[in-house]
Amino acid sequence: KAGVTQTPRYLIKTRGQQVTLSCSPISGHRSVSWYQQTPGQGLQFLFEYFSETQRNKGNFPGRFSGRQFSNSRSEMNVSTLELGDSALYLCASSLGSGRNYGYTFGSGTRLTVV
Amino acid sequence: KNEVEQSPQNLTAQEGEFITINCSYSVGISALHWLQQHPGGGIVSLFMLSSGKKKHGRLIATINIQEKHSSLHITASHPRDSAVYICAAPTGTYKYIFGTGTRLKVLA
Repeated sequence: KAGVTQTPRYLIKTRGQQVTLSCSPISGHRSVSWYQQTPGQGLQFLFEYFSETQRNKGNFPGRFSGRQFSNSRSEMNVSTLELGDSALYLCASSLGSGRNYGYTFGSGTRLTVV
Repeated sequence: KNEVEQSPQNLTAQEGEFITINCSYSVGISALHWLQQHPGGGIVSLFMLSSGKKKHGRLIATINIQEKHSSLHITASHPRDSAVYICAAPTGTYKYIFGTGTRLKVLA
């Protein structure tokens, strides 16, 4: 079965712009979580959605937002981009609680802000 | 202090060597994930285990829930094993807590 699909794979944006990243989970998975990975901070949790509801949110500014659609696909949006937002953004999906089922990761979207 | 700690941070080995990566955690968890990340970014799940030992090919993972410690072993290491290995604890609040990662380089 298809894995977790993230689009686009690479993105270059200018400071001040906004960006939307997409994540399609494995079919049947209702939980989607997002992570930011930078060389300095490692992997950090952004937010998690289940059945279109945000269940948890990490310690990121309000410029980072997300949503989940009825088909479980999720998008995250970053407004007013800053140079420090340059990172690999990973999404992961799970059947329900990752605590019980674990998460499957996508290949990530590498965002470069110039 | 991180809730999930890994050691070593960096590891260089010769092809064929036996490798051990350790993970200690302070959070209460019922299972632990070992993840592999190759250059380019994608993360692959290697193991999810809640007790004892699991083996897949040349990879072996063990966990002791009482001692809050897990190890990942690679037997007969190969250059294609070069990657970052990350242990991750799925919490009850719907997210992972990640270790800092171990960067492994296996030389031919």
